[in-house]
Formats: sequence, C-alpha cells, structure tokens
Amino acid sequence: NAGVMQNPRHLVRRRGQEARLRCSPMKGHSHVYWYRQLPEEGLKFMVYLQKENIIDESGMPKERFSAEFPKEGPSILRIQQVVRGDSAAYFCASSPTTGNTEAFFGQGTRLTVV
Amino acid sequence: QQQVKQSPQSLIVQKGGISIINCAYENTAFDYFPWYQQFPGKGPALLIAIRPDVSEKKEGRFTISFNKSAKQFSLHIMDSQPGDSATYFCAASMNTGGFKTIFGAGTRLFVKA
Repeated sequence: NAGVMQNPRHLVRRRGQEARLRCSPMKGHSHVYWYRQLPEEGLKFMVYLQKENIIDESGMPKERFSAEFPKEGPSILRIQQVVRGDSAAYFCASSPTTGNTEAFFGQGTRLTVV
Repeated sequence: QQQVKQSPQSLIVQKGGISIINCAYENTAFDYFPWYQQFPGKGPALLIAIRPDVSEKKEGRFTISFNKSAKQFSLHIMDSQPGDSATYFCAASMNTGGFKTIFGAGTRLFVKA
C-alpha cells in the first residue's frame, strides 16, 4: 500500500508563472489536507478537501491559490502568478475519515520561485 | 484561539538524557493531540497521540503528559539517542465539522553522541 504520493518533489518556477502541485492520497483515503511549511517554521494549514468538495479553506490565501480534489485523479494545489514569498515546502496529508485519526503525510513538494 | 504554542525552539541533549518539549493551547474544543517527528527532507510522521480523557500515554521511550486544566501537554523522550535528532511538532485537532490539525512551530532536537 503506497503512502501519500506528491509530485513533483522539487519545482522551480519564475515569478509570474503557475505552479501545480499534485497529491495522490493513500488508497482508501478520501480526505486530503494541504499544509505549507516555510523554512524554520511549523506547518500552516491551508485547505481540507473531500472528493469534489472543499470543506475548509480558511488557511488559503484569498488570491492566486486554489485547490481541487476531483472525483478521479489526484488533488491539485494551484498557485497562479507565483511570487518569491510562495517559496516553501507544501505538504499533503490524507486520512480515511474525519476527526481524531492519523493523517499520513507525503514527502512534500519544495517550490522555489526565482 | 486556534494557536498551539510550542517550546523550546531548539534543544540539545546528551545521549541517554531526557528530552522534554512543551506545548500549550487555548481552544478547549481541541480533543486530539498528536506529536509528529520530521527528518530533513521528509514529511512529518505521527509519533504518538493522546486524547484529553487520559493524563499520560507511553509508547516505548516516548511519553505524552497531558494537563487538561492547564491546557498543556508535553513530550518526554527517555534515553535520547542520536537517531532521535529531528524536528518535533505538537499539534491539536477537533472533530467538529471536519478535521483540521493545528501545528506548533516545532522544536529542533539534537542529541549529542
């Protein structure tokens, strides 16, 4: 049973380009969470999705960031018109159900904006 | 209200010593308190977790102490080993209208051989 798969592991984008980060949850998991980790800092919650639904996006910046988790395929975190401040590690986690169950994390995507 | 405050920011411990990391929270609706361990270049991995109906949980060399009235909890690593050197995050979540885990800022532990 493969773990949470994120790709790419490293992504370099120029300012103004778009970044697309993918997350395939563990088999049987229908809940996906995205977190951002800045250097030397903790993980900041961004968004919680179930299949085809955004449940909680309270941690998402209002502009340029969007997330989806389609019926088929991986969850996508999309950052439009990237800026240097978007450089961070983005982690995806999945769990089989809500509340008080372990969330399994992927290896992360390290985004560098140059 | 949603914050989880973690201290210290960094910690150096001799091999065989006890590592202690502390966390505090405000929101009494939190009802699940996991600790995650993260190695460089890796994603966080669950280490141990506790619910507020118990005051202590032990798994091997790792123990969580929980003080509900003080809204504090801590991780103790007994007989610390160089392989324990990592960043540790405390976290809190609530099973209300969905699941969202709030993380502390992390503690970088270095165990000297």
